[in-house]
Amino acid sequence: AQKVTQAQTEISVVEKEDVTLDCVYETRDTTYYLFWYKQPPSGELVFLIRRNSFDEQNEISGRYSWNFQKSTSSFNFTITASQVVDSAVYFCALSEAHRTEYGNKLVFGAGTILRVKS
Amino acid sequence: NAGVTQTPKFQVLKTGQSMTLQCAQDMNHEYMSWYRQDPGMGLRLIHYSVGAGITDQGEVPNGYNVSRSTTEDFPLRLLSAAPSQTSVYFCASSLQGSGGTEAFFGQGTRLTVV
Repeated sequence: AQKVTQAQTEISVVEKEDVTLDCVYETRDTTYYLFWYKQPPSGELVFLIRRNSFDEQNEISGRYSWNFQKSTSSFNFTITASQVVDSAVYFCALSEAHRTEYGNKLVFGAGTILRVKS
Repeated sequence: NAGVTQTPKFQVLKTGQSMTLQCAQDMNHEYMSWYRQDPGMGLRLIHYSVGAGITDQGEVPNGYNVSRSTTEDFPLRLLSAAPSQTSVYFCASSLQGSGGTEAFFGQGTRLTVV
């Protein structure tokens, strides 16, 4: 069975600090996809990144970076020089790759609340 | 494009009442799904559909019913509301594929059952 664990329930940092959000996943599939979503205080879910299991290259997008390590089944997310606007709940999610009739089901972690203080 | 539209945004129900949460998307996505979000549990899949006329259960389907008569609409019915169904509900849509396509979410419906 698939499972996503975000062990950090809540993290508080001061503005300009770097912060890493951990995500550990479990799956028996060799092909799968990993996602990060952001949920700001307004409540909507914002897609941040998708990574497939064959692409272990780290990715950087502005102040955001992602570290994917299959050896440890982790897909961690780092925010560099955090800002107050980064305050949100961040979800890591996993999707299996399979026949199309099973759709695109996401398994989410419990989420990490990030509070950035000025 | 509006994307994924959910109505209502807020709802209070009495135990035993029934209601339908509406979800519509204008992106011609084949795949649609409903999740519920509860504190400390992330989002959990209730029901999903891979196309008009095809639906299936997710992780937590009990007490909910769905149908998909058109590509655009995917309503979620609460048959007899219970306090345990107090939650935030999200509808999502995505292109059909072998997993891994980006899911677009609606704004959510905050439901309270008293």
